[in-house]
Amino acid sequence: AQSVSQHNHHVILSEAASLELGCNYSYGGTVNLFWYVQYPGQHLQLLLKYFSGDPLVKGIKGFEAEFIKSKFSFNLRKPSVQWSDTAEYFCAVNARNAGNMLTFGGGTRLMVKP
Amino acid sequence: NAGVTQTPKFQVLKTGQSMTLQCAQDMNHNSMYWYRQDPGMGLRLIYYSASEGTTDKGEVPNGYNVSRLNKREFSLRLESAAPSQTSVYFCASSSSWTATNSPLHFGNGTRLTVT
Repeated sequence: AQSVSQHNHHVILSEAASLELGCNYSYGGTVNLFWYVQYPGQHLQLLLKYFSGDPLVKGIKGFEAEFIKSKFSFNLRKPSVQWSDTAEYFCAVNARNAGNMLTFGGGTRLMVKP
Repeated sequence: NAGVTQTPKFQVLKTGQSMTLQCAQDMNHNSMYWYRQDPGMGLRLIYYSASEGTTDKGEVPNGYNVSRLNKREFSLRLESAAPSQTSVYFCASSSSWTATNSPLHFGNGTRLTVT
């Protein structure tokens, strides 16, 4: 069975700091990878996704993520965070033969101090 | 533009009581999903419906039942609530028949407490 680990449960940064949130998964086959974000008081929404091709994918609001197959990782990055990036971030993985089974990580709560 | 609407927003039940969580989407989406969110555990799939008339178990289906009433509505029923079912429940939908080919659209969640 696939599993997803987000090792940083809570991250606190000051505005303009760089961000990297880790995501590792345990599945040896072909995967689809996602980052979802939940802003305070809002529902989850898709930040970015990777299916194939360029392993560096760009999403909304200046976020990007890099798929490193050899490390089973899909880390989320942003060069300079803003207060409005305060949210909970979820990595999710779908094995290509797993149909609708989208497995989410435990989430990382990011707080950006103004 | 309502998107995915869940009711109720909050609910407190006593052990053994039953209830149904309602979910409706107005985007003409094909697939619908029920997840539960517990601290530190992310979202776990309870049941899903790839299309109208079909339902399938997810990762944690025990203690729950679902009904895909029509293309718009997908309800989750707890027949005999247990404290372990205290959680935040999210309904989601997708235009494709899978959770991956197009983004999931989530509702605002139902916070359920079972005492």
